[in-house]
Amino acid sequence: EIVMTQSPATLSVSPGERATLSCRASQSVATNLAWYRQKPGQAPRLLIYGADTRVPGVPARFSGSGAGTEFTLTISSLQSDDFAVYYCQQYNNWPFSITFGQGTRLEIK
Amino acid sequence: EVQLVQSGAEVKKPGESLKISCQGSGYSFASHWIAWVRQVPGKGLEWMGVIYPGDSETRYSPSFQGHVTMSADKPSGTTYLQWNSLRASDTAIYYCARQIKAPGLYYFDYWGQGTLVTVSS
Repeated sequence: EIVMTQSPATLSVSPGERATLSCRASQSVATNLAWYRQKPGQAPRLLIYGADTRVPGVPARFSGSGAGTEFTLTISSLQSDDFAVYYCQQYNNWPFSITFGQGTRLEIK
Repeated sequence: EVQLVQSGAEVKKPGESLKISCQGSGYSFASHWIAWVRQVPGKGLEWMGVIYPGDSETRYSPSFQGHVTMSADKPSGTTYLQWNSLRASDTAIYYCARQIKAPGLYYFDYWGQGTLVTVSS
């Protein structure tokens, strides 16, 4: 089973500053990696897939990078809407599996 | 407009059976995998499995294999998640989510509103 580990568990950042979230896979997942944002009481929203492809409609301040086992989500200038929990998700075709990280809570400093 | 609408909250006793639903609209229902994801309140997301409504092929997480069953009904555009014997530990919010419009890529761009299942004696 591929384990996804996100760090830090909680990140405190001021509005307007940059936030960097990390996600590490226990084995290579190539670029089969997505990022989601979940606000309280809502379903997750897909932000980034294929490690670095932004979903249409997602603001340009969100960017993803990485390949293999190390991935990063960067939010360049935090807006109030961005304070939420972020999850990474991988998929592997053989054997088939999908795994989420445990989440990073982004809170206002 | 793509929409996934899930059935309402349920309260059940341990050992009871349950089937919850997720109805898709606004897209080609048979052509996108649907994932089911569990979230215990206050906790993270857990992938349970996926189903391809076109032929009802399923792939389960080992953590849920044998405890839940996924199914699909093409005419109504509805997928289902079923338990034969609920446990208290099944108490959670269950989301369905649609695979993005890119065959072979297992990312999920549209999500249902979630169904809260409470299992308590």
